[in-house]
Amino acid sequence: ETGVTQTPRHLVMGMTNKKSLKCEQHLGHNAMYWYKQSAKKPLELMFVYSLEERVENNSVPSRFSPECPNSSHLFLHLHTLQPEDSALYLCASSHVRRDTQYFGPGTRLTVL
Amino acid sequence: AQTVTQSQPEMSVQEAETVTLSCTYDTSESDYYLFWYKQPPSRQMILVIRQEAYKQQNATENRFSVNFQKAAKSFSLKISDSQLGDAAMYFCAYRSRFRYGGSQGNLIFGKGTKLSVKP
Repeated sequence: ETGVTQTPRHLVMGMTNKKSLKCEQHLGHNAMYWYKQSAKKPLELMFVYSLEERVENNSVPSRFSPECPNSSHLFLHLHTLQPEDSALYLCASSHVRRDTQYFGPGTRLTVL
Repeated sequence: AQTVTQSQPEMSVQEAETVTLSCTYDTSESDYYLFWYKQPPSRQMILVIRQEAYKQQNATENRFSVNFQKAAKSFSLKISDSQLGDAAMYFCAYRSRFRYGGSQGNLIFGKGTKLSVKP
């Protein structure tokens, strides 16, 4: 279970704060993903990065900003979040976009 | 657009017994992948089993097996000899095999089924 790591595991922030979530994969994969998991809702794909392209879900608010400096690291920068953004944020990676995805443990985010 | 439906929000099984979790999906595509993921409490999501739609044989991984009915668009997960460690949220997911471009590789998840195992 250490192939994909995420930090921090828990984060509490105010609506005016700026924070970042970090994901790192040690599997040699070339594609990375951010998902949002809210209670009683299906997992929602937020962003995808791969060697070929960056793909965004157009419904994701601009207060979420992804960054992928290399194939092993993925960040999600957060600013001026809303209480409804409280959720479990999951990172995943795969060898290529068409391959099986492996998930990290998630960051439990609470916005006050 | 594809959708995945898990009609059982919660299920319970006695230890050592067998339980079946249901999943149905809607798609107009003929070639795709189906997955079952397991998410234990406060632990990360792991892949349980994967099925390729073009294969008629049902996938099996130790105590986990699927009943894939392509015509009915049904993909149920059977857990045999249930163990306490099987207690988790189980998610069914769909992925197109040949779509390219922006939605390539995107997993579409159901809402999940919470499985409890009674000792």
